[in-house]
Amino acid sequence: EIQMTQSPSSLSASVGDRVTITCRASLGIRSHLTWFQQRLGNAPKLLIFGASNLQSGVPSRFSGSGSGTDFTLTISSLQPEDIATYYCQQTYSTPWTFGQGTRVEIK
Amino acid sequence: QVQLEQSGAEVKTPGASVKVSCKTLGYTFSTYYVHWVRQAPGQGLEWLGVINTSRGTATYAQTFQGRVTMTSDTSTSTVYMELSSLRSDDTAMYFCARRMATIDTKYLDYWGQGTLITVSS
Repeated sequence: EIQMTQSPSSLSASVGDRVTITCRASLGIRSHLTWFQQRLGNAPKLLIFGASNLQSGVPSRFSGSGSGTDFTLTISSLQPEDIATYYCQQTYSTPWTFGQGTRVEIK
Repeated sequence: QVQLEQSGAEVKTPGASVKVSCKTLGYTFSTYYVHWVRQAPGQGLEWLGVINTSRGTATYAQTFQGRVTMTSDTSTSTVYMELSSLRSDDTAMYFCARRMATIDTKYLDYWGQGTLITVSS
């Protein structure tokens, strides 16, 4: 089973700040990495697939990068509506494991 | 448009079983696999397994082997997830999600609204 480790577990930033979340896989997963946003009480929402592909309808301030074992989700200018928990998930092999999540708050 | 509609919340006693449904709409059912994910209160996301809706075959997470069964009904475009021998730590929101597959990768694109299963004596 591939372990996914996200950091930090939580962060607080100001509106307009650049925010970076990292995700590390215990084995190489090429680019089989998805990022989700989950607002309180809602189902996860797809942001990025294939490590760097922005899902249709997702604001361009979100971007993803990385390959192999190290990946990054970046929010270029944090907005109030970005308050949520963010999860990475590897889709390289079953079980499709998730990172433990990163809670993003507004300072 | 694509939708996944899940059955309503349930309360079960320890040792019982629960069967959650996920009705899919807006796309060709047998073309996409469906995954199940759960989330305990205040916790992260946990993958349960996946069903090939065309063949009706499933792959389960080792943690749930022997307790979970996923099935599909092509006549109603619905998938089911049954979890048996329920324990209090099975209390969680259970989600179904559609798997999209491209030539480059696979990912979960559409999710159901979630079904809250509470296990309590």
